Amino acid sequence: GAVVSQHPSRVICKSGTSVKIECRSLDFQATTMFWYRQFPKKSLMLMATSNEGSKATYEQGVEKDKFLINHASLTLSTLTVTSAHPEDSSFYICSATLGGRWDEQFFGPGTRLTVL
Amino acid sequence: GQNIDQPTEMTATEGAIVQINCTYQTSGFNGLFWYQQHAGEAPTFLSYNVLDGLEEKGRFSSFLSRSKGYSYLLLKELQMKDSASYLCAVNDYKLSFGAGTTVTVRA
Repeated sequence: GAVVSQHPSRVICKSGTSVKIECRSLDFQATTMFWYRQFPKKSLMLMATSNEGSKATYEQGVEKDKFLINHASLTLSTLTVTSAHPEDSSFYICSATLGGRWDEQFFGPGTRLTVL
Repeated sequence: GQNIDQPTEMTATEGAIVQINCTYQTSGFNGLFWYQQHAGEAPTFLSYNVLDGLEEKGRFSSFLSRSKGYSYLLLKELQMKDSASYLCAVNDYKLSFGAGTTVTVRA
């Protein structure tokens, strides 16, 4: 149980375009979902926390207009990277919890974004 | 801010034991997680400690001392497939990760 999927697993796009990444909890309802990014050989950095039906809470330094997060249902959250640039190239990982912020997080398989 | 330190790299022989230390200084504490991450993949859960002491789960054990801000992950009977990055993460108001320890298991 507690499986989280992400789609797409890899995406290559041109600079200036927008990319949407989906995160789904497959066999449970996720009250809270998290979005992380990870640079090569670096640790995961939390970008934002999203709760179903409310606005996402962004970490300091993360542009909310650049990284749009929508948590429309208890099983789906989306991250849209708007007007992507090469510096946005990264590994984006989502996670979901069964309960609130303090619960164990189940991670999706990640999305590798490459912006040309 | 959060400060979570762990060694960058460790190398060990197949069948041996390796201990990965993690020290932390965080404004709050609500548990410490250890995750395993293979290159290009998402982290997978290994262990969770919220009280002091040792938690054993098969070949993996994790220890926590809250007063010392210290944890370790012990990997026994190392196998080649254990070659991965091991992430220490502290649950404060958010999950804060260390940079990870890359473990290389050699035959």
